[in-house]
Amino acid sequence: DAKTTQPPSMDCAEGRAANLPCNHSTISGNEYVYWYRQIHSQGPQYIIHGLKNNETNEMASLIITEDRKSSTLILPHATLRDTAVYYCIVRGRYSGGYQKVTFGIGTKLQVIP
Amino acid sequence: EAGVTQFPSHSVIEKGQTVTLRCDPISGHDNLYWYRRVMGKEIKFLLHFVKESKQDESGMPNNRFLAERTGGTYSTLKVQPAELEDSGVYFCASSLAAVSTDTQYFGPGTRLTVL
Repeated sequence: DAKTTQPPSMDCAEGRAANLPCNHSTISGNEYVYWYRQIHSQGPQYIIHGLKNNETNEMASLIITEDRKSSTLILPHATLRDTAVYYCIVRGRYSGGYQKVTFGIGTKLQVIP
Repeated sequence: EAGVTQFPSHSVIEKGQTVTLRCDPISGHDNLYWYRRVMGKEIKFLLHFVKESKQDESGMPNNRFLAERTGGTYSTLKVQPAELEDSGVYFCASSLAAVSTDTQYFGPGTRLTVL
């Protein structure tokens, strides 16, 4: 159980911002929101993560709602190379101190020329 | 800095044969994870090492799969004997510390085809 809900697919015009939504209504206080993506058949690539504040790095921005029940990954200027499956993942500290990444179906983002 | 590497990138074997996959984590990463994606399915967790110890192997499908990490560096995942349903892509990931904020970095995967 991935604990997140994402639209199965989205299109975005090249050069425009891609906004990928994610619902995680059952998130608990110590759980983070992570985003990964998988380009074609490559290994999953880490993008960004956050707890409750908005985050930005060189790849993307992460906007988390105040109640933390949903978030949006923003790719500010999508390029054709951003075409991939994007996974929104909720992760926290589990007993034993270990963690594992539980992937769902993700959102297939198609960037259109 | 080198990322997570996996070998081989592709392997094609016949049912009943043995295959060994190798993963080299990022240097200094104590945590090593194995995942796999079988055709049409989601990526699933297999197991987690902390150094040379198995922390969680709840995702291992059956006793035909054996993972080792001698010396706490690279890891191997052996499938013996391989079955058709073992076909898929096997990913390895590593992280520095097994805490909630720690990021796992994935390798490129090994595509296994069992004929």
